Order: sequence, then C-alpha cells, then structure tokens
Amino acid sequence: AQSVTQLDSQVPVFEEAPVELRCNYSSSVSVYLFWYVQYPNQGLQLLLKYLSGSTLVKGINGFEAEFNKSQTSFHLRKPSVHISDTAEYFCAVMYGGATNKLIFGTGTLLAVQP
Amino acid sequence: NAGVTQTPKFRVLKTGQSMTLLCAQDMNHEYMYWYRQDPGMGLRLIHYSVGEGTTAKGEVPDGYNVSRLKKQNFLLGLESAAPSQTSVYFCASRPRGVGTEAFFGQGTRLTVV
Repeated sequence: AQSVTQLDSQVPVFEEAPVELRCNYSSSVSVYLFWYVQYPNQGLQLLLKYLSGSTLVKGINGFEAEFNKSQTSFHLRKPSVHISDTAEYFCAVMYGGATNKLIFGTGTLLAVQP
Repeated sequence: NAGVTQTPKFRVLKTGQSMTLLCAQDMNHEYMYWYRQDPGMGLRLIHYSVGEGTTAKGEVPDGYNVSRLKKQNFLLGLESAAPSQTSVYFCASRPRGVGTEAFFGQGTRLTVV
C-alpha cells in the first residue's frame, strides 16, 4: 500500500539546537518526496522536495532533507532551530504511476522552547 | 494575487444539514484536491480532480461529493452532515506534471453538532 509514516507526533527542542524529523515511505520503483510546513491557523506551504538527482535537498528557512532509497527515508534536518520554526511539519509522497495523488503523513509538531 | 481561496472559513452545521464548500484558484492549475485534517491523522485525501469535468475518489470519500464544472473551481458537498465530519478542510491545487508544488487554501473549520 502507498503510505508515508511519521513516527514522531511531537518533537520538543531548545532554541539553537539541531533537529531531525523522521519520515519513511512505502517502497516503490519511483517516488517523489516533499516536506510541507503548517504554521498555526494557516494552510500548508512547501519547504523542499526531492524529484531526482542529488539525495541531499536544501529548502527554505535553512532546512534540508536527505533521500535514502535503501532505508526508504526522507528525514528533515536543521542544524539550529529558532522559536519561529515552531509549526507542524508534514512529509508527503507522490508515487510514479500515480502522480495525480499527493499522500501525506500524520505530521510532526516541532515545539521550539527558549 | 489570491492563490487558493476557500469559502467559508468557519461553519457550524446541525446533523443532517447539507452544505457546499467552495474552492477557487486563480493560477490556472489543472489538478485540485480536497483534504480533511484531523488531530493525529494528518491530511487525508477526500476527492481530487485532474481537470475540468473530471473527479476521482481519494482515501476517505464516503459522505462527500464533488464537482468541477469550471477549471478554477472545485466544490465539496456534504449531503447529510454527521458529527464525524467535524474537521478542518483544505483545498489545494497544482499544475500538471511530476513533482509540481501544491498550493493550499487557508482551510475551512467545520463543526457538526
């Protein structure tokens, strides 16, 4: 079945500390992977995406993610977080052959504390 | 430069009532989607459309109907609302093609009592 898993529902972290948000997807020949961010009471906006090529993808606001095909993962990282990064982060996947559908994970709430 | 606009933003319905949520996009996107967001469940796809006059079922289509009579509009209907349909509903659109960015509306918070 086509799915994406975000095991951590909430990640608390102190300001200026590094953070990693985990995302795993069900294996497929071709996948396209995305991270979206949702600030309180807003819609979602794209942070970064992986389509092909280099497995390390850089996005907005200092975030980056690494595509790992053998581990079927696409973890999101930031070396130093700010209070303003507090938001919910969603991993999403689009499978080759079904590129009409964008399937989301359950989300991870990043709570940055001073 | 409106992007994706959802109407209304908030609504309270009584069980059994019907309503229509409107999504309008001004970016000439081919694909449009309706999701619902519930705590701990992320965004689940209700219905989607790959072009004017076409619709398809997503993961949780039961209790909802959709129509895409015009390219820029995607309507989500609830014929007989149930408390289980209390949720935040998001519309999104994106251009045709692999990996194109989806743009989201601000959401509609629906409560069914």
